[in-house]
This record gives sequence, structure tokens and C-alpha cells, in this order.
Amino acid sequence: DIVMTQTPLSLSVTPGQPASISCKSSQSLLDTDGKTYLSWYLQRPGQSPHLLIYEVSRRSSGVPDRFSGSGSGTDFTLIISRVEADDLGLYYCMQGTHLPLTFGGGTRVDNK
Amino acid sequence: QVQLQQWGAGLLKPSETLSLTCAVYGGSFSGNYWSWIRQPPGKGLEWIGDINDSGRTNYSPSLESRVTISADTSKNQFSLHLRSVTAADMAVYYCARGPLSLDYWGQGSLVTVSS
Repeated sequence: DIVMTQTPLSLSVTPGQPASISCKSSQSLLDTDGKTYLSWYLQRPGQSPHLLIYEVSRRSSGVPDRFSGSGSGTDFTLIISRVEADDLGLYYCMQGTHLPLTFGGGTRVDNK
Repeated sequence: QVQLQQWGAGLLKPSETLSLTCAVYGGSFSGNYWSWIRQPPGKGLEWIGDINDSGRTNYSPSLESRVTISADTSKNQFSLHLRSVTAADMAVYYCARGPLSLDYWGQGSLVTVSS
């Protein structure tokens, strides 16, 4: 199985300040079709996860442009340019290139 | 707008079979893979497996011996069956639409295992 390693485990942020989460995979996520299937999810307290970013950097419908994703191969980053109160929760990366699908361990983002 | 609505028994005894069903509303069942994911209390997400409209399935190797995912395309529904549950299977179970990223999720079903 592909191991997804997220850092940091937790992040205390001041609203209005940027935040960055790293996700590293144990193997390249570049698929034979030339695409990289790395996605990011936010799980607010008591809610289901929802998709923020897919294929490394494509924002899902309705996701604010303060969220951006970057990376390639085995190293990926989610950046929130200015954190808002609505952004607090657990963030997960997931790879969809190799079966079984696997998730990172999660990063908790809360208020400083 | 695609919506996933899931249901099933929430309290099981050890050795029983977990059964959950997820209905898909507002979108096509065809052309997608439909996944089950679980999240033990206070822990991260674990993919269980998925199925497409042709009945092709993929399973996590760690659960494959106990899992069956099936689909009823006439009802736009898919189901999860996990046999011989133990306390380690206690989790919130989610259904979701895939296959390469999970863009729609069900509301989650808490499954408790207790004798």
C-alpha cells in the first residue's frame, strides 16, 4: 500500500494568516495517463469530509480561491492563503493513483 | 446536485455482519466507482473498497477476506457487508463517489460493536 505522510499533525493559526500542510507519498503518484491523483479534504467537527482539491491543484466546485494545492511525484502541499474561521478542522490528503486508495493521517487546524 | 443517503444497523454484537446501504440521488450511477470509507473514533480515514455499475469491485487487502460490496443499479444503491465484526470495526462508515477523488460523501453511519 502507498503510505501517505502528513505534516504537521496539528497547526494553530491566527485568522488572516497563511497555513501550509505537507503530504508525502511512499511512491510516485504520477499515473500512466500523465495525471497525478492527489486530493485534499476538510472534515469540520461532526461532519463528513468534503473535497477541496483534486489532481494536485484543481479546486472542487465552490471551494474558495484561498485554497491552493501544488506538488508533483511524491511531495505535495496544501496552502490556505488567509485562514478563516470556517477553515478550522481536520485536513486529509488522499492518493487515488494506486489501489488501495490511502489517506494521510490528518492535520488538525485550530485557532491560535 | 448529487446526494448520498446511507443507512444500516448501528449496534452489532461481536461476530455479527455489518450491513450498510447507500442511495445515490441526483446523479448517474453509471460511469463512477462508489466507495466505502470508515473512521474509527478519534482516528483517520480508511478506504474499504468500491464498486462500479458493472459490478466490478476493488477491496482493501486488509479487509478483503471479510468484505463484500454489492450494487443494485435499478435502485441506484450500493451496499457494504462486513462479516465477523469485532470491537476493532467500531467506526463511522461513509459512502462516497469516486474513483480517483471522492467528490460526494454520505452523512456517515456510526457502527458500535458491543456484547
